[in-house]
Amino acid sequence: AQKITQTQPGMFVQEKEAVTLDCTYDTSDQSYGLFWYKQPSSGEMIFLIYQGSYDEQNATEGRYSLNFQKARKSANLVISASQLGDSAMYFCAMRGRRAGSYQLTFGKGTKLSVIP
Amino acid sequence: ETGVTQSPTHLIKTRGQQVTLRCSSQSGHNTVSWYQQALGQGPQFIFQYYREEENGRGNFPPRFSGLQFPNYSSELNVNALELDDSALYLCASSRGSQGVENIQYFGAGTRLSVL
Repeated sequence: AQKITQTQPGMFVQEKEAVTLDCTYDTSDQSYGLFWYKQPSSGEMIFLIYQGSYDEQNATEGRYSLNFQKARKSANLVISASQLGDSAMYFCAMRGRRAGSYQLTFGKGTKLSVIP
Repeated sequence: ETGVTQSPTHLIKTRGQQVTLRCSSQSGHNTVSWYQQALGQGPQFIFQYYREEENGRGNFPPRFSGLQFPNYSSELNVNALELDDSALYLCASSRGSQGVENIQYFGAGTRLSVL
């Protein structure tokens, strides 16, 4: 079975500082994808970044980077230079093959609050 | 803006009733997935439709059913509503249904309250 664990229910960060949101995963698959989504209070899940299990380089997308440590089964999101608009729920998710189809499994999320 | 639209945005139903939620996928996307997000939880996969056929299902009972239309829009139907069905229902579309790298783009959801 696939499982995503996010151990930080809430995080605070000062504006313009960097913050790391933790994510660990469990799977027996060799091939899988790791994703981070942002969910503002409006409800829409916004795709941020993707990392494939075979990718050797850590993914980066603007101010977002994914610190992928395969041996530790961790996929932490790093947000640099935090902005007030970064305040939201952040979800880590894993995509793998289950019962013949590809499914996305989410963690419980981390609520990030950016302080002016 | 992801181009994925859901309707209605909010809905109130009573226990035992039936409900239909709708989703229009992003242009060029032929796959739609539905998720249930209970308060304080991450989304849970309900099922996925690819080219009008269900091709993946999570741990949800048969009273959760769906349809996909030739234009790739989709409906989620829930029969015999229970109080625990109260949640945010999210629709996501993607280009294709295969591969671990396939990115899903979400709508803003329908918030269902069952009284």
